[in-house]
Amino acid sequence: GQSLEQPSEVTAVEGAIVQINCTYQTSGFYGLSWYQQHDGGAPTFLSYNGLDGLEETGRFSSFLSRSDSYGYLLLQELQMKDSASYFCALSGSARQLTFGSGTQLTVLP
Amino acid sequence: KAGVTQTPRYLIKTRGQQVTLSCSPISGHRSVSWYQQTPGQGLQFLFEYFSETQRNKGNFPGRFSGRQFSNSRSEMNVSTLELGDSALYLCASSANRVNEQFFGPGTRLTVL
Repeated sequence: GQSLEQPSEVTAVEGAIVQINCTYQTSGFYGLSWYQQHDGGAPTFLSYNGLDGLEETGRFSSFLSRSDSYGYLLLQELQMKDSASYFCALSGSARQLTFGSGTQLTVLP
Repeated sequence: KAGVTQTPRYLIKTRGQQVTLSCSPISGHRSVSWYQQTPGQGLQFLFEYFSETQRNKGNFPGRFSGRQFSNSRSEMNVSTLELGDSALYLCASSANRVNEQFFGPGTRLTVL
């Protein structure tokens, strides 16, 4: 099976940079995705790493290292609206996303 | 382009009843997946449909079933409801790219 671990909570101040880590165990996968979910809302796709390395999308960047079974999401210039839950998810040949338990990010003024 | 829509948004049922939830994917998307989200178990995969065929099913009992129609709309059914079935049920569609899925707002099911 597949399993992912993320910190349950992260707190940072507005304007700062925060990194949310994700470690995983799997026998094989296509890539690692990141989703954001605000309270009461639907998960929305942020980023995907199919290959090792860094992917940048505006203020958000995501990184994957297959050799270390590790990835992270980097959020820069934090804004209050970034307060949300962030999920890493593995995608594989089974055509399903396996999600981590989520990291609640709180951005303080 | 309209997003994924789910109906109803909220539902209250009693134990033993059955429920049917509906999902309309983004136009052109033929893959529809269903997920259950609970505070204790997080986001868990239920099943995935593509062109009216179930391609994959998660580790849920047979009380959970689904189907997809020729227009890609999908329904999921839960029979003999249990208290533990109370959850947010999310539908997601994709253009056959599992890594990037577009989620609907969900149906909040409460079982009393």
